[in-house]
Amino acid sequence: SAVISQKPSRDICQRGTSLTIQCQVDSQVTMMFWYRQQPGQSLTLIATANQGSEATYESGFVIDKFPISRPNLTFSTLTVSNMSPEDSSIYLCSVEHGGMGLNEQYFGPGTRLTVT
Amino acid sequence: LAKTTQPISMDSYEGQEVNITCSHNNIATNDYITWYQQFPSQGPRFIIQGYKTKVTNEVASLFIPADRKSSTLSLPRVSLSDTAVYYCLVVLSASKIIFGSGTRLSIRP
Repeated sequence: SAVISQKPSRDICQRGTSLTIQCQVDSQVTMMFWYRQQPGQSLTLIATANQGSEATYESGFVIDKFPISRPNLTFSTLTVSNMSPEDSSIYLCSVEHGGMGLNEQYFGPGTRLTVT
Repeated sequence: LAKTTQPISMDSYEGQEVNITCSHNNIATNDYITWYQQFPSQGPRFIIQGYKTKVTNEVASLFIPADRKSSTLSLPRVSLSDTAVYYCLVVLSASKIIFGSGTRLSIRP
């Protein structure tokens, strides 16, 4: 298994500012993913981040709004830029771990963001 | 990516067996069927994955018929702590996964 931590666990931010969320894994992984989950809703994939290459964004998400870094095989950051209240959500990172299953993902605890 | 359809919610009682069925009519040959569980204020947790027939682990069983167009997650003798949202997904190996709406399972005493 993989143990994932995220920082911060929660934050309250003013509109127009930016917040960078950190995701740390206790083992080296190739693929990392960033999701958004609005209250009471399912998870929506934002982007896939592989070390050594630019992140791949899903439809509706752009790099200017959600820049992602992946400097090594155990760490990634997601920045939510120029925030508005609509960005209030839980942001989760996950890693693909192929140890046991072909596609078993481990998720971090999430970062609860509130934009005022 | 194949789309999945599952009930929005289900209720059951402690000690009962709960079966959650998911349909995935457009599943591709190389797709695997995977279930995740999510408790409030936590990230989803992998439960079980299978390709065909039956898979069982310490938490659940997964039944997949020959045509693979549906699957059933079986939770034996549920307890209050099994109250959660359960997501059915079909995924390729080493690939991104897309979550559907999930089934909100409520267990009552």
